[in-house]
Amino acid sequence: AQKVTQAQTEISVVEKEDVTLDCVYETRDTTYYLFWYKQPPSGELVFLIRRNSFDEQNEISGRYSWNFQKSTSSFNFTITASQVVDSAVYFCALSDSTGGGNKLTFGTGTQLKVEL
Amino acid sequence: DTEVTQTPKHLVMGMTNKKSLKCEQHMGHRAMYWYKQKAKKPPELMFVYSYEKLSINESVPSRFSPECPNSSLLNLHLHALQPEDSALYLCASSHGTESYYNEQFFGPGTRLTVL
Repeated sequence: AQKVTQAQTEISVVEKEDVTLDCVYETRDTTYYLFWYKQPPSGELVFLIRRNSFDEQNEISGRYSWNFQKSTSSFNFTITASQVVDSAVYFCALSDSTGGGNKLTFGTGTQLKVEL
Repeated sequence: DTEVTQTPKHLVMGMTNKKSLKCEQHMGHRAMYWYKQKAKKPPELMFVYSYEKLSINESVPSRFSPECPNSSLLNLHLHALQPEDSALYLCASSHGTESYYNEQFFGPGTRLTVL
């Protein structure tokens, strides 16, 4: 069965610190997709990145970077030089063949608090 | 336009009321979703519409009734709700459901309180 684990419930950092959010997944499929979403206090889930199972290249977008390692079934997310605006709940999600497609399995989320 | 809109933003209703939540997207997406999210929990899938047809119903109680009048609109009709139905209701859309690489774009949600 598919599963996503975000073991860090809450992380607090001081502004400008780097922070890594962990995500570990389980799936029996060889083709699958992984996503990260940000949910600020306003409630809307904001799509950050999609990664397919055949592309293990790490990705960097500004202060955000993602490390995908199939060997450890992990898809970790790093924010460099964190800012107060990064405070939000971050969800990692998996999409595989379950439910015929586009059924996202979410992790439980990590609450990130960035303080001045 | 890469936006999913939802109305109303907040809704308070009694257990005997009938109300509707509305969702709209103009991205040409052919799949639309309803999720329920309780505080400090991830979103839970309720319904999926693909090409205006209901494709997934996650065993949701019949007091929640979805409707997809056209490819841009999605409604959720509410009737005889219970206080435990109080939650954030999120709408999302994606290009389609033929393959599972399509990212879903979410609206801001409707925060529902049932008294």
